[in-house]
Amino acid sequence: DTGVSQDPRHKITKRGQNVTFRCDPISEHNRLYWYRQTLGQGPEFLTYFQNEAQLEKSRLLSDRFSAERPKGSFSTLEIQRTEQGDSAMYLCASSQQGGNTEAFFGQGTRLTVV
Amino acid sequence: QKEVEQDPGPLSVPEGAIVSLNCTYSNSAFQYFMWYRQYSRKGPELLMYTYSSGNKEDGRFTAQVDKSSKYISLFIRDSQPSDSATYLCAMSEMNNDMRFGAGTRLTVKP
Repeated sequence: DTGVSQDPRHKITKRGQNVTFRCDPISEHNRLYWYRQTLGQGPEFLTYFQNEAQLEKSRLLSDRFSAERPKGSFSTLEIQRTEQGDSAMYLCASSQQGGNTEAFFGQGTRLTVV
Repeated sequence: QKEVEQDPGPLSVPEGAIVSLNCTYSNSAFQYFMWYRQYSRKGPELLMYTYSSGNKEDGRFTAQVDKSSKYISLFIRDSQPSDSATYLCAMSEMNNDMRFGAGTRLTVKP
């Protein structure tokens, strides 16, 4: 499978715990994006990387959220001190730099904070 | 006002009907326009991608962009029950993050 891969697919955690999600993009793609989607809404942009550089962060991304992309390959999204409002689907997408911005999504990680 | 507006529906049509899905937007800097299909509890799947204004056809799907009106459309011909899903419009400026509509939930009844 050469698509975008996300792990885990589902995560249930207690409020206050830290969680970390992983995304493996399509191998030749140098751009990687994180989005959050709640029920009945479209995905909301969180942050994106070009290679290992984090180029943009949404104001939605509180200081409890941090993302990394060491070596410009896979990326991790960590949420510290989770809150019930963090319950959502976390989506990762990747694309190639250049005029073509076709971005392909993974299957997402569904987070439930109890 | 949201940057991208999309009627959430739900929209229900009989099999074989022509479906029209639409989005409006406020940011005139958007140049790239996409339609994604999302099945329940799955990630969005890219259907159509268009740069600037014009039409693009791919099988039963046609995407239209009218930048002067800030309006984009997706038409589905000969709709099938397997087309039942949520359809998300998305758009972006030069190679940066996409802004999505809320999605329109479509049901095609046999």
